[in-house]
Amino acid sequence: QMQLQQRGAGLWRPSETLSLTCTVYGEAFSGYYWSWIRQPPGKGLEWIGEVTHTGNTNYNASLKSRVNISVEKSKSQFSLSLTSVTAADSAVYYCARRFYTSSSFDLWGQGTLVTVSS
Amino acid sequence: SSELTQDPAVSVALGQTVKITCQGDSLRSYYASWYQQKPGQAPVLVMAGKNIRPSGIPDRFSGSSSGSTASLTISGAQAEDEADYYCNCRHSSGDGVVFGGGTKVTVL
Repeated sequence: QMQLQQRGAGLWRPSETLSLTCTVYGEAFSGYYWSWIRQPPGKGLEWIGEVTHTGNTNYNASLKSRVNISVEKSKSQFSLSLTSVTAADSAVYYCARRFYTSSSFDLWGQGTLVTVSS
Repeated sequence: SSELTQDPAVSVALGQTVKITCQGDSLRSYYASWYQQKPGQAPVLVMAGKNIRPSGIPDRFSGSSSGSTASLTISGAQAEDEADYYCNCRHSSGDGVVFGGGTKVTVL
């Protein structure tokens, strides 16, 4: 069955580099954008960025200087790296999939609660 | 601007119709998608593109668009429709996407 499985630590110290990975099960890896989206507690969704199976990326301009999203095709995985985290980066982080020509995210990971605290 | 604006909250009586709107310049070029999110859960796609309901989404959900405004209509709202609803569309540059701030729908 098609699903996205997230893994990564839930607690990070300020100034550290946050790292999360999403594994794609049961579906082709090509033909989609693989995205990271976050949601601070009690707030709305914020798109972080995305990567294709060939490694092409797009990033939210407000986060671009701190974000890197990479892909490992052989493992059907894509990863998020966010540098110099602060408390403002505390959120539930989701991985998700959308078709190249659509804005629709039709498949989501389970979400990872990330807390940035000393 | 690539921002999408939604009303923060709306309420609807059980069985009545509610329309949720999403405004932004990007909607003049790209279709909106809509998501339902219940507490503690990941968002669920309820409307994709031009009035396309994913499999399993009830037909009381419908989508429309005019100019810079996209709408999601729930006809005959049910108690289980109480949730936060988010719109999104492709960024005006064509690269990436942007989300609206979300609308909390309360079913009375």
